[in-house]
Amino acid sequence: NAGVTQTPKFQVLKTGQSMTLQCAQDMNHNSMYWYRQDPGMGLRLIYYSASEGTTDKGEVPNGYNVSRLNKREFSLRLESAAPSQTSVYFCASSEYRGFGYEQYFGPGTRLTVT
Amino acid sequence: KQEVTQIPAALSVPEGENLVLNCSFTDSAIYNLQWFRQDPGKGLTSLLLIQSSQREQTSGRLNASLDKSSGRSTLYIAASQPGDSATYLCAVRYYSGAGSYQLTFGKGTKLSVIP
Repeated sequence: NAGVTQTPKFQVLKTGQSMTLQCAQDMNHNSMYWYRQDPGMGLRLIYYSASEGTTDKGEVPNGYNVSRLNKREFSLRLESAAPSQTSVYFCASSEYRGFGYEQYFGPGTRLTVT
Repeated sequence: KQEVTQIPAALSVPEGENLVLNCSFTDSAIYNLQWFRQDPGKGLTSLLLIQSSQREQTSGRLNASLDKSSGRSTLYIAASQPGDSATYLCAVRYYSGAGSYQLTFGKGTKLSVIP
């Protein structure tokens, strides 16, 4: 049981390049999330998917797109990377445990845009 | 808009000391509150989850309390150890509409336990 996995772990892009961050979970969770973490800003929600087939914007969606490919996988795409998108990106999933929804995180992708 | 504040931003204590980390939130209409630990360069690990109807949760040396009416939660760590050194994040879950729930995070408290 791997939990939440993310690829790649590290990535360097040039301004204007595109890339897709991959996320998968093997816990059969319905909800999945993408966050970014920046120094002094904390974690901010980019997009989320409450269930397979649905996606919604979070706090900072501009410059990103997402795809909920199936129940396991939720990808984040940067169509034209900008230096402001340099950050650590975390994918998460959540489940109801009888006493509330609990969120589980992947190890993160460290992205640098030059 | 829900805002979560954690004070202090950093804390340094000698090994063996008991300590309290604080979290406050602006909107008391929360579904639950979750405490996480983050080690440098790593993801977040869930420590404790408190439902809005609960007052506290305990796991080993950790005890988290919740006072929803005053918008406060505390994480108590007993007999601190150097291995407890990490950043501790508080997050509140609230209903964001259309059957969805979201988390809002504080910026964290960086804890250093000195041997």
